[in-house]
Amino acid sequence: EVQMVESGGGQVKPGGSLRLSCAASGFVFSQYNMNWVRQAPGKGLEWISSISTSSNYIHYLDSVKGRFTISRDNADSSLFLQMNSLRAEDTAIYYCARGAGLDFWGRGTLVSVSS
Amino acid sequence: ETTLTQSPAFMSATPGDTVTISCKASQDIDDDINWYQQKPGEPPIFIIQEASTLVPGIPPRFSGSGYGTDFTLTINNMESEDAAYYFCLQHDNFPLTFGGGTRVDLK
Repeated sequence: EVQMVESGGGQVKPGGSLRLSCAASGFVFSQYNMNWVRQAPGKGLEWISSISTSSNYIHYLDSVKGRFTISRDNADSSLFLQMNSLRAEDTAIYYCARGAGLDFWGRGTLVSVSS
Repeated sequence: ETTLTQSPAFMSATPGDTVTISCKASQDIDDDINWYQQKPGEPPIFIIQEASTLVPGIPPRFSGSGYGTDFTLTINNMESEDAAYYFCLQHDNFPLTFGGGTRVDLK
């Protein structure tokens, strides 16, 4: 059974940092591009970042470039998102999503940025 | 950046109705569009891939169509469990972008 479990969310002050993790199982993680997508409370979905299978190709949403860093550990079937210089507008549920077509999503982890 | 304009934003439907949701892209994206269903407190579920291919396990009352810039999600003979938000996603180019969503409620 495909499973992806996000963790690392929480409450942080503006300017703070968090590191999100996504633990994958039930599929060959190293064969899939991976993504982070977020959803602000009561709002739509927003793609943040994608990483290719070997980490050779990485893309970011402009508003997080220079603040967020995506990475992966294929040996451990894990995806990460290092988030620095957090802003109130980064408050959202953060989902990891599998593949170039985002065919399977985890349940998400909530990030709340407030003073 | 490819903008996806999804309409309507909200609709009410009665069980048995046919529901049609539109997603228009600001540029040609071939058939690189997926559709998702999301219920409150749950992650999105993948229902249509590459504009018109039903994802395995999704009921056949769901269908998708379109190519290029105009895409449609159709729910035939709507059931009460289909009340949800629906989103389109283009994965033709970066940044990946989503439509604004359509909330489908039961009348």
